[in-house]
Amino acid sequence: DAGVIQSPRHEVTEMGQEVTLRCKPISGHDYLFWYRQTMMRGLELLIYFNNNVPIDDSGMPEDRFSAKMPNASFSTLKIQPSEPRDSAVYFCASSSLTGYIQYFGAGTRLSVL
Amino acid sequence: DQQVKQNSPSLSVQEGRISILNCDYTNSMFDYFLWYKKYPAEGPTFLISISSIKDKNEDGRFTVFLNKSAKHLSLHIVPSQPGDSAVYFCAASELSSNSGYALNFGKGTSLLVTP
Repeated sequence: DAGVIQSPRHEVTEMGQEVTLRCKPISGHDYLFWYRQTMMRGLELLIYFNNNVPIDDSGMPEDRFSAKMPNASFSTLKIQPSEPRDSAVYFCASSSLTGYIQYFGAGTRLSVL
Repeated sequence: DQQVKQNSPSLSVQEGRISILNCDYTNSMFDYFLWYKKYPAEGPTFLISISSIKDKNEDGRFTVFLNKSAKHLSLHIVPSQPGDSAVYFCAASELSSNSGYALNFGKGTSLLVTP
């Protein structure tokens, strides 16, 4: 398996623009997680899904952030409108039902100017 | 609030010596702990884990120790190699809860192993 695949790897946008980050989890995994890494807060969980259903979105910072998982092989994290403080590295991870180990993608580095 | 804390942002060790990375947690309900390693421009990769029913788990050069009474765990790397230079994250989860699969991460310790 190719592992968790995220796109794009880098995204530079201007404040106020919509940003969409994409994730393809490992085939057969039941859980999908979105994390954000910043210097100030480290790695923080934003939201996670079980069998395409959002389970816990308490980490989503505000209504400008939304995440969807329309099927088992694809998820998006959308920021609309984006702000400079959203600049961070966003990671997607997946895990199986019987395993507690999460496998991470390479991340998307987002810069909002 | 940070429930998992790694108080040493960086650590430098000579090749061949032991590296000891520390982690403290505040939530006594955590029952599963993991260490991840991260290279620049890559995602974190799983290294080793330990359940709260154990106090030690070993995998090759890597050993994790858990002291539940002190709410403290440590990762030992023996012997350290230059390829071990990376950022190490400690993570914890509360498997018995509804959000059991969610991981709480520390901010990481940057390890540098010098030749």
